[in-house]
Amino acid sequence: AQKVTQAQTEISVVEKEDVTLDCVYETRDTTYYLFWYKQPPSGELVFLIRRNSFDEQNEISGRYSWNFQKSTSSFNFTITASQVVDSAVYFCALSEAGNAGNMLTFGGGTRLMVKP
Amino acid sequence: DTGVSQDPRHKITKRGQNVTFRCDPISEHNRLYWYRQTLGQGPEFLTYFQNEAQLEKSRLLSDRFSAERPKGSFSTLEIQRTEQGDSAMYLCASSSGRLETQYFGPGTRLLVL
Repeated sequence: AQKVTQAQTEISVVEKEDVTLDCVYETRDTTYYLFWYKQPPSGELVFLIRRNSFDEQNEISGRYSWNFQKSTSSFNFTITASQVVDSAVYFCALSEAGNAGNMLTFGGGTRLMVKP
Repeated sequence: DTGVSQDPRHKITKRGQNVTFRCDPISEHNRLYWYRQTLGQGPEFLTYFQNEAQLEKSRLLSDRFSAERPKGSFSTLEIQRTEQGDSAMYLCASSSGRLETQYFGPGTRLLVL
């Protein structure tokens, strides 16, 4: 069965600090996809990134970077020089290619509060 | 390209009433998903459609929940005889294929009094 764990329920930082959100996953499938979504107070889930299990290259997009390590089953997300607009709940999610429905399994989310 | 839209955005109802939510996916997306999110939790998968076919519904929470996508475009999620425990955010997502990224709508917040 697939499972995603986000151990940090809430993180508070001061603007311009770097912050890393942790994500650990479990799956028996050899082909799977990992995602990060952002949920601002408005409620809509905003897609941030998707990685497949065969691509362990780290990725950087502006102030965002992602570190995928299959050896530790982790897919961590770092925000550099955080801003107040980064305040939101962030979800890590997993889908297995072997699952016909390709439904997403989400972690419990990490609430990030960036204070000015 | 417009995103996924959901209607209504908010719904307050009394226990025992029926409610119906609508989701309009991104045009030409053949897959449509429904999720439920309770306070402080991550979204939980309910059901999905490929075109008009509902291919997975075992995760619907009870037989009071049903979903349709009659013409393979918009979808409706109905909850009959609502209970206070049904209070949650109901999210819809769509994708262009089985292994493609799911894009979410703004959700419908349901409050059952």
